[in-house]
Amino acid sequence: EAQVTQNPRYLITVTGKKLTVTCSQNMNHEYMSWYRQDPGLGLRQIYYSMNVEVTDKGDVPEGYKVSRKEKRNFPLILESPSPNQTSLYFCASGEIGTADYGYTFGSGTRLTVV
Amino acid sequence: AQTVTQSQPEMSVQEAETVTLSCTYDTSESDYYLFWYKQPPSRQMILVIRQEAYKQQNATENRFSVNFQKAAKSFSLKISDSQLGDAAMYFCAYRSKWGYQKVTFGIGTKLQVIP
Repeated sequence: EAQVTQNPRYLITVTGKKLTVTCSQNMNHEYMSWYRQDPGLGLRQIYYSMNVEVTDKGDVPEGYKVSRKEKRNFPLILESPSPNQTSLYFCASGEIGTADYGYTFGSGTRLTVV
Repeated sequence: AQTVTQSQPEMSVQEAETVTLSCTYDTSESDYYLFWYKQPPSRQMILVIRQEAYKQQNATENRFSVNFQKAAKSFSLKISDSQLGDAAMYFCAYRSKWGYQKVTFGIGTKLQVIP
């Protein structure tokens, strides 16, 4: 089954404790991206990647890091989480260069930083 | 920069009735894609319908259809014969045809379906 897999689904952590949210897709998509969803703000892009070793900032990159060492994986790293990073996070992937059928999203990670 | 505006934070509809969700966007580009995504309580993001700007014909997917007014930069979603399973948050989204880097989302409209 074609899918984007995010883990964990829920995470509660303390301020300053480094964490990684994993994202993996099995569709051989070149493009991957991270979004955060907050009430009243919709989804905002954090980082994106057009291919292996090619990443760039989105609208709200502060406090986040990403890497794309393999085509299928695109982890989101919070080096020193803060309470304002409490949010719902989505990973998405898509195929570049063909008719755009939109992204495929992961099932989301609910992060709480206390 | 492109912006997407959904001016209805919440809407409600009686089961079996029709409801229209509004979306406007701002862009200087002539070619782009527009999407409606559904997010049920499971929070999974599901693509409902897409429209290519150069196509004048409005997209339709079963009970879902759009009213695309390019000159007015409007992209509304009509849900016919509403069902309980349609209750969800709906997001309107925009992407430039040539800039795959980002999809811009609206803030969402929460749809309640009343039995």
